[in-house]
Amino acid sequence: GENVEQHPSTLSVQEGDSAVIKCTYSDSASNYFPWYKQELGKRPQLIIDIRSNVGEKKDQRIAVTLNKTAKHFSLHITETQPEDSAVYFCAADDAGGTSYGKLTFGQGTILTVHP
Amino acid sequence: GAVVSQHPSWVICKSGTSVKIECRSLDFQATTMFWYRQFPKQSLMLMATSNEGSKATYEQGVEKDKFLINHASLTLSTLTVTSAHPEDSSFYICSASRSNQPQHFGDGTRLSIL
Repeated sequence: GENVEQHPSTLSVQEGDSAVIKCTYSDSASNYFPWYKQELGKRPQLIIDIRSNVGEKKDQRIAVTLNKTAKHFSLHITETQPEDSAVYFCAADDAGGTSYGKLTFGQGTILTVHP
Repeated sequence: GAVVSQHPSWVICKSGTSVKIECRSLDFQATTMFWYRQFPKQSLMLMATSNEGSKATYEQGVEKDKFLINHASLTLSTLTVTSAHPEDSSFYICSASRSNQPQHFGDGTRLSIL
């Protein structure tokens, strides 16, 4: 089955700096890669996603890049703010085409943005 | 749109009792629902996938007789933790999806077994 590795496990930055979180996956059939933000005791919230036919996607301060050959993808947050502090999870979905299937999650990254 | 409601949000019960958690898709019909378990400071681990009207598919290592899943309609799935023990204490999260739409997560249920 799919295995997703996520690094770093913790990340501490100053407000205004950029933050980068990286994930690798094992199953070359995976073709959908969402990123979630989870605050303590809350549901995971989808913040950005990418399909394997796209190399990069950006939404305001958040961007995701995908290297399908190397089987890794990264989350980039620019101009970080204290409210960005949370746990971030990457995930991989092996459903084909435009459909959605099971998600395998990475271990999570605790991001702390210091004012 | 795409709201998933999970109930209860928090439950505390004695060891040996059974606990039922409900997951409802409020404004869409969910062809598939997923149940996850999350221990403190850990990731979400998929327990099972359920499709309406059919038996759930459990992940390796998840006891199907311990965690009973029912998906009787396109808007409701239930997870029953049978004969719960302290080691079953965890955060349980459901998600629901429909064709060509990503999963939408419920708010989770914090289960504490005394």
